[in-house]
Amino acid sequence: GAVVSQHPSWVICKSGTSVKIECRSLDFQATTMFWYRQFPKQSLMLMATSNEGSKATYEQGVEKDKFLINHASLTLSTLTVTSAHPEDSSFYICSARDQIGGEQYFGPGTRLTVT
Amino acid sequence: AQSVTQLGSHVSVSEGALVLLRCNYSSSVPPYLFWYVQYPNQGLQLLLKYTTGATLVKGINGFEAEFKKSETSFHLTKPSAHMSDAAEYFCAVSKSNTGNQFYFGTGTSLTVIP
Repeated sequence: GAVVSQHPSWVICKSGTSVKIECRSLDFQATTMFWYRQFPKQSLMLMATSNEGSKATYEQGVEKDKFLINHASLTLSTLTVTSAHPEDSSFYICSARDQIGGEQYFGPGTRLTVT
Repeated sequence: AQSVTQLGSHVSVSEGALVLLRCNYSSSVPPYLFWYVQYPNQGLQLLLKYTTGATLVKGINGFEAEFKKSETSFHLTKPSAHMSDAAEYFCAVSKSNTGNQFYFGTGTSLTVIP
């Protein structure tokens, strides 16, 4: 089946620094990828929709200048958390939609801890 | 507008017993419905989905769900629970069968008691 990877799987950073998370579709191309955020014991909340070669579409309440999204190729989208603060600590999950079949596949997630 | 309500944030069943996880949805358009499972510190794995056609959908690991339009429900069941079924389960609704944008429920944590 289709595989979506995320790197890193977990990261600890200091407050004020920036962290980049990668989302890759390994065996299919994805013109659209999605970024979700999941707080402990809670559901996934869509943050933004990432479209290859164009600007991301952010959900209401998500700061686009804080959560920078780049979808530079059909297999890679990146989420950069800028000037991270402890409240940004969360589980970030991406999903990628197969350009051909249309199915959406989820990555394994990245756990971010900001100290 | 679309939304999903999962009744019961925690469900415990004995090994071998019936598993029933409830999901009700609200949708302004014909819904596409999904069930995902999440194991600790992992991403989501698709269990099954309803798009069109037969209202009883069979998924992986012996799970199935029935779409009941009159009740706006899509409950997940499994006849006999296994220890490996312990996980978090999410119901989701979308406007498209490929899940252009998912709206997730708050999740149900399933515990299987040996």
